[in-house]
Amino acid sequence: DAKTTQPNSMESNEEEPVHLPCNHSTISGTDYIHWYRQLPSQGPEYVIHGLTSNVNNRMASLAIAEDRKSSTLILHRATLRDAAVYYCILYETDSSYKLIFGSGTRLLVRP
Amino acid sequence: EAGVVQSPRYKIIEKKQPVAFWCNPISGHNTLYWYRQNLGQGPELLIRYENEEAVDDSQLPKDRFSAERLKGVDSTLKIQPAELGDSAVYLCASSFGVAGVSEQYFGPGTRLTVT
Repeated sequence: DAKTTQPNSMESNEEEPVHLPCNHSTISGTDYIHWYRQLPSQGPEYVIHGLTSNVNNRMASLAIAEDRKSSTLILHRATLRDAAVYYCILYETDSSYKLIFGSGTRLLVRP
Repeated sequence: EAGVVQSPRYKIIEKKQPVAFWCNPISGHNTLYWYRQNLGQGPELLIRYENEEAVDDSQLPKDRFSAERLKGVDSTLKIQPAELGDSAVYLCASSFGVAGVSEQYFGPGTRLTVT
């Protein structure tokens, strides 16, 4: 199973941008990079995913390194509601079709 | 549109007792997943269904856990008998097609406490 490495926790101020890093040095050419987040007492929530190119949606942006060995989830203006655990996941399309969650990064947002 | 519905939200039982969790996925989603999440860890897949068929149950402890998805819609996960180590949050998720490029939608989970 492919592995990702994320910091255990990060802090941000409200209304400032947040950059959440993820290392995935063992990524293969067909692996998608997915990000989910989990708010307290809720199930995980999809944020964004990508393969090679940078991606934007209403929630966040995903910047993928040229060699694909790392990526960064960007929240453009953090709000208190963004305080959650963020999971970076490699989705292996040539194997078992399952999301393998790590421990994630706990994001704290200061008012 | 209603999300993934799970019940009950909380369950407290004594060890050796049976317990069952129910999940109703989003309408039209043919793939259904059961995950277990231990405290401080990410969710871990137990079983994946495509329609009525369990296509990946490699992580399901088959001596005490069972699951079914009759008619390819609702699903039930059962533990019999429960052990102290089964205390966790049990999450159900669904997706349209096989989740690779598509997202999984998660329910709020059932928090199980075994005493």
